[in-house]
Amino acid sequence: NAGVTQTPKFRVLKTGQSMTLLCAQDMNHEYMYWYRQDPGMGLRLIHYSVGEGTTAKGEVPDGYNVSRLKKQNFLLGLESAAPSQTSVYFCASSYSTSGIGEQYFGPGTRLTVT
Amino acid sequence: TQLLEQSPQFLSIQEGENLTVYCNSSSVFSSLQWYRQEPGEGPVLLVTVVTGGEVKKLKRLTFQFGDARKDSSLHITAAQPGDTGLYLCAGYKLSFGAGTTVTVRA
Repeated sequence: NAGVTQTPKFRVLKTGQSMTLLCAQDMNHEYMYWYRQDPGMGLRLIHYSVGEGTTAKGEVPDGYNVSRLKKQNFLLGLESAAPSQTSVYFCASSYSTSGIGEQYFGPGTRLTVT
Repeated sequence: TQLLEQSPQFLSIQEGENLTVYCNSSSVFSSLQWYRQEPGEGPVLLVTVVTGGEVKKLKRLTFQFGDARKDSSLHITAAQPGDTGLYLCAGYKLSFGAGTTVTVRA
């Protein structure tokens, strides 16, 4: 039981390049989330999904797109990377979004945009 | 502007000392969670508090939810180096506080 996995762990991009971050969970959770974490800012929600084929915007969605084609996978895309997107990205999953449900986090992807 | 304000931002203490970190908001929360994050890893849930005035204990950690459900505190008794980490509170609309970085020196 791997829990939540993220690939890649590290990535360096040049401004304007694109990339996709992959998140996978094996807990059969309906809900999945993408956050970014910056020093002094805590975790900020980018996009989330309440089930296969559905996505919704979070607090900071601009510059990112997501897809949830399979229940176990949640992809985060950057179409044209900018230095402001340098951050650590975390994926999480849970049984519900009610605030009571525990979120399980992946180990993070450290992205640097130069 | 963050819904959840955590204080202090940094805390460094000697092993064996006690510490308290706070999570405050102007909004009422139906529930609030505390997570701990170690360097290079994702956050891990410590506790969820739901009822105003609720107190939960997890070994040397004591969590309290304010009567009005607008604030919470985490108290660690006799801190150990293994308690070192970033402590985050989380609540309504999947919002997180900025966190308190706790360092316990041996």
